Amino acid sequence: DVKVTQSSRYLVKRTGEKVFLECVQDMDHENMFWYRQDPGLGLRLIYFSYDVKMKEKGDIPEGYSVSREKKERFSLILESASTNQTSMYLCASSLRLGASYGYTFGSGTRLTVV
Amino acid sequence: QKEVEQNSGPLSVPEGAIASLNCTYSDRVSQSFFWYRQYSGKSPELIMSIYSNGDKEDGRFTAQLNKASQYVSLLIRDSQPSDSATYLCAVNRDNYGQNFVFGPGTRLSVLP
Repeated sequence: DVKVTQSSRYLVKRTGEKVFLECVQDMDHENMFWYRQDPGLGLRLIYFSYDVKMKEKGDIPEGYSVSREKKERFSLILESASTNQTSMYLCASSLRLGASYGYTFGSGTRLTVV
Repeated sequence: QKEVEQNSGPLSVPEGAIASLNCTYSDRVSQSFFWYRQYSGKSPELIMSIYSNGDKEDGRFTAQLNKASQYVSLLIRDSQPSDSATYLCAVNRDNYGQNFVFGPGTRLSVLP
């Protein structure tokens, strides 16, 4: 089975800190995604990447950046954490471009910014 | 803004009944549609996909797609308490078919 591993299950950070959320997948998937999930707002796309070194903004990229130096790793960076970034962060990957491939999600990181 | 809408629920059905979950989408060019199940406190997991008009069956699950009406549904036959979860509809929104917008989800409760 494809595994998507997120480095932390729970994280508490202070306002203004720089926060790194790591995601690693082990099945050579080309595509990787970062979503956040909030009650009543559902899953919202932050950034995605279809290839190494490639990144595209999603629907809510403000306050975030990403890095994809290696195919298997996609990092989400909160440049200066704020309380409104308290959320569940979900990483996902999919095999390649094309309409027939669904996502495999990681187990999520619940981030609290205090 | 490309949107995906679902009834938030909760949808309650008795054990053994058919649960019907519905999803509408706004973008006529969408080509692929996925259903995910999310248990409380867990991440979404892929149930099934559908690309062509009509029905697609996989075990107790049947996905139905009507592109003219911009409507996709998921039927769960012989519902079990273990099916109690939130069901997310996802619709693709780019030409590569790998950038999805998710609906808000419908919470299903199967009563023993």
